[in-house]
Amino acid sequence: GEDVEQSLFLSVREGDSSVINCTYTDSSSTYLYWYKQEPGAGLQLLTYIFSNMDMKQDQRLTVLLNKKDKHLSLRIADTQTGDSAIYFCADHEMDSSYKLIFGSGTRLLVRP
Amino acid sequence: DAGVIQSPRHEVTEMGQEVTLRCKPISGHNSLFWYRQTMMRGLELLIYFNNNVPIDDSGMPEDRFSAKMPNASFSTLKIQPSEPRDSAVYFCASSPTGYGYTFGSGTRLTVV
Repeated sequence: GEDVEQSLFLSVREGDSSVINCTYTDSSSTYLYWYKQEPGAGLQLLTYIFSNMDMKQDQRLTVLLNKKDKHLSLRIADTQTGDSAIYFCADHEMDSSYKLIFGSGTRLLVRP
Repeated sequence: DAGVIQSPRHEVTEMGQEVTLRCKPISGHNSLFWYRQTMMRGLELLIYFNNNVPIDDSGMPEDRFSAKMPNASFSTLKIQPSEPRDSAVYFCASSPTGYGYTFGSGTRLTVV
């Protein structure tokens, strides 16, 4: 089945850029997603990218998609302490239009 | 819209008791999902409803778990009898199309 993998932890200094990486196995994905989870809260859809795009920019967020390597990344520019959270990469399970498979999440810690 | 509403936010119960978790999806969303989140297993899809009909319940761990969606605005996840290993955060999510879920804030269940 589909597998989505992320590194578990990233620590950056406030004001620096953060890059969170994700790899996936299903090459037929239509959309890939980034979710953010703050402590005690549910997952919030942060951004998504359509599979025919290489890059999507939304204010401080930049998503890069390398379909050849099945690699997705989320770059947060000018990282703030409020960006500290767990970030999940998600992809649809192969041949499924609804079932999302989530990575294990990357805990981002922003140091003042 | 108030988003996906889950209740209760926290539930502590004794082993063997019945537990019922509730979810109100966003109006107009015809897909509803129940997920479970634990440190060990991450996010797991338990069951998926489309137009109030269960489509995929392959993630329901065992017969102690059951889910219903009697109408478009309400769903329940029931555990009977509950066990300590059921302790987790249970999320409900809804979507208009199966893409781009909106998650509720979750119910943190502790079974002692």
